[in-house]
Amino acid sequence: SQTIHQWPATLVQPVGSPLSLECTVEGTSNPNLYWYRQAAGRGLQLLFYSVGIGQISSEVPQNLSASRPQDRQFILSSKKLLLSDSGFYLCAWSGGNGVMNTEAFFGQGTRLTVV
Amino acid sequence: GEDVEQSLFLSVREGDSSVINCTYTDSSSTYLYWYKQEPGAGLQLLTYIFSNMDMKQDQRLTVLLNKKDKHLSLRIADTQTGDSAIYFCAEWYGGSQGNLIFGKGTKLSVKP
Repeated sequence: SQTIHQWPATLVQPVGSPLSLECTVEGTSNPNLYWYRQAAGRGLQLLFYSVGIGQISSEVPQNLSASRPQDRQFILSSKKLLLSDSGFYLCAWSGGNGVMNTEAFFGQGTRLTVV
Repeated sequence: GEDVEQSLFLSVREGDSSVINCTYTDSSSTYLYWYKQEPGAGLQLLTYIFSNMDMKQDQRLTVLLNKKDKHLSLRIADTQTGDSAIYFCAEWYGGSQGNLIFGKGTKLSVKP
């Protein structure tokens, strides 16, 4: 069966510090991968999605970047965090072998607080 | 752009039915979803409905789809305190290379 791992679960970082959130998927190959952010009162916003290694699409201009160094690894990064980067970040995957490509599965999320 | 709207709060008494409503804009959406988020946790897929269906029932959950009005609802029968969570409506947008567009979520509070 497929599983998704996302870490860390919580993170408190000072303004101006770097960020690296990691997400890995097991049990499937060539999935689509996504990073979403949930900010207070603003629902879920798609930040990045990737259809393959090294292929990243950005949905909104921001202080963040994403990379996909391996098929089942998706990393969200920032060189210098802003207060406005605080939120709940969710990694998700869809598609891959044997899974309908219009069904998405989510990790447990990372609560990021920038202070 | 594509948009999904839902009311932000709903409060019900334990044992009553809960109905969470959602409207969407993309008439070409093939799948529509309901996700549940418990405090501090990720999203759990509750159920989904294909656009050529009007209704889908799964135990205590009933999903109704009015494609003409682009209206989706989730009914939870015999609501329990464990159902307290945020419920997100979502539509799949963009085909096989697409992604989910979410509403802002409805916070369901169940009072004993």
